[in-house]
Amino acid sequence: GAGVSQTPSNKVTEKGKYVELRCDPISGHTALYWYRQSLGQGPEFLIYFQGTGAADDSGLPNDRFFAVRPEGSVSTLKIQRTERGDSAVYLCASSSGIETEAFFGQGTRLTVV
Amino acid sequence: DAKTTQPTSMDCAEGRAANLPCNHSTISGNEYVYWYRQIHSQGPQYIIHGLKNNETNEMASLIITEDRKSSTLILPHATLRDTAVYYCIVRVAYSGAGSYQLTFGKGTKLSVIP
Repeated sequence: GAGVSQTPSNKVTEKGKYVELRCDPISGHTALYWYRQSLGQGPEFLIYFQGTGAADDSGLPNDRFFAVRPEGSVSTLKIQRTERGDSAVYLCASSSGIETEAFFGQGTRLTVV
Repeated sequence: DAKTTQPTSMDCAEGRAANLPCNHSTISGNEYVYWYRQIHSQGPQYIIHGLKNNETNEMASLIITEDRKSSTLILPHATLRDTAVYYCIVRVAYSGAGSYQLTFGKGTKLSVIP
């Protein structure tokens, strides 16, 4: 596709459930980033992939959060035992290199009830 | 990354120039100034970036003071579609772990008024 695609656009889940959020980066982009944005705040960095490997996962809040990018393209952010505090918009971005501009998707709005 | 300070909100009349200020008084010599904007319910969009020279592209101009402690993003002819939150971000040129991150603050909410 022409841009970064994230699915689903909205996800409502019950507290304690497991969720997966998907990101399709721009074709050919080797760098992929996940950010989280709470209401009224700017996006916060979660994790960065260079190819298939997570080069920096220092922004993941705890071990309930995990992300993969097995073939160096599509990435999945996985959240176990969801909590109400996990409710936010999860944004994915990709770039052709570390120093080039990042292109963001529309985000997935996660609501934990 | 150096901390940035931006006004919380600004208004601009449609068709006029929008001048968005940003203070980054602790910026280091190898740090760039980036601007992104976020229109409601969309992901952030890259606008422009610069190191020390003024920069212009099809979207905006970036004016960086000589001491690099502040900058101004200029939208020359604001339209209603420019209503968004504008983020000024200081980002170190790539030098290893962490330098690729974008550290967003709360930004400036620009409202373009008809």
